[in-house]
Amino acid sequence: QSALTQPAAVSGSPGQSITISCTGTTSGVGIVSWYQQDPGRAPKLMIYEGTKRPSGVSDRFSGSKSGNTASLTISGLQAEDEAYYYCCSYSYSTSFYVFGTGTKVTVL
Amino acid sequence: QVQLQESGPGLVKTSETLSLTCTLSGDSVIGYFWSWIRQPPGEGLEWIGHIYYSGSTNYNPSLKSRVTMSVDTSKNQFSLRLNSVTAADTAVYFCARDYEKIIDYWGQGILVSVSS
Repeated sequence: QSALTQPAAVSGSPGQSITISCTGTTSGVGIVSWYQQDPGRAPKLMIYEGTKRPSGVSDRFSGSKSGNTASLTISGLQAEDEAYYYCCSYSYSTSFYVFGTGTKVTVL
Repeated sequence: QVQLQESGPGLVKTSETLSLTCTLSGDSVIGYFWSWIRQPPGEGLEWIGHIYYSGSTNYNPSLKSRVTMSVDTSKNQFSLRLNSVTAADTAVYFCARDYEKIIDYWGQGILVSVSS
């Protein structure tokens, strides 16, 4: 099962908005979650079921989906948002999870 | 507060078996799936597989021939065994809760190095 495709790096200035894409196969992206990971730390769930935020996650983070691509948008970019971001898809057809290739977000 | 803690050897010899245990606190293993995920140094995340509290499993096809997972409800633990390891299996291994197709709570991870 191939990993989902994400851009290797995305950058933006403080206060700007950035969007990270996550592209799946022709069969789609399934049920998508997004994770934030600081180096040496465990991933943190930021978005689940494509668009929902867990309690405690800033509303500056939002998710969307169109066709076989899911997206994570960070609005009002802050220095603390600098991290790696991974999408993750669960497919009912295969009954397992696939992670994206990961995106390094840099705040300029 | 759900907390997961991985434990096991940090060094495994080539061709031997990697064995890790995840101990859960603040919740019960009953009622959930429990996943193992790994991350080679400087690389991305790879889902290894998961186990339901009843013992049913689903493994990543790329690792399926070498992976065994088990759960011990009396100890509130679940475990991973990966046999015939090579240097390519060197990674940080995470255990995590898998609820309604969402991997939500993660352990801190444990680095396992494979060396001859």
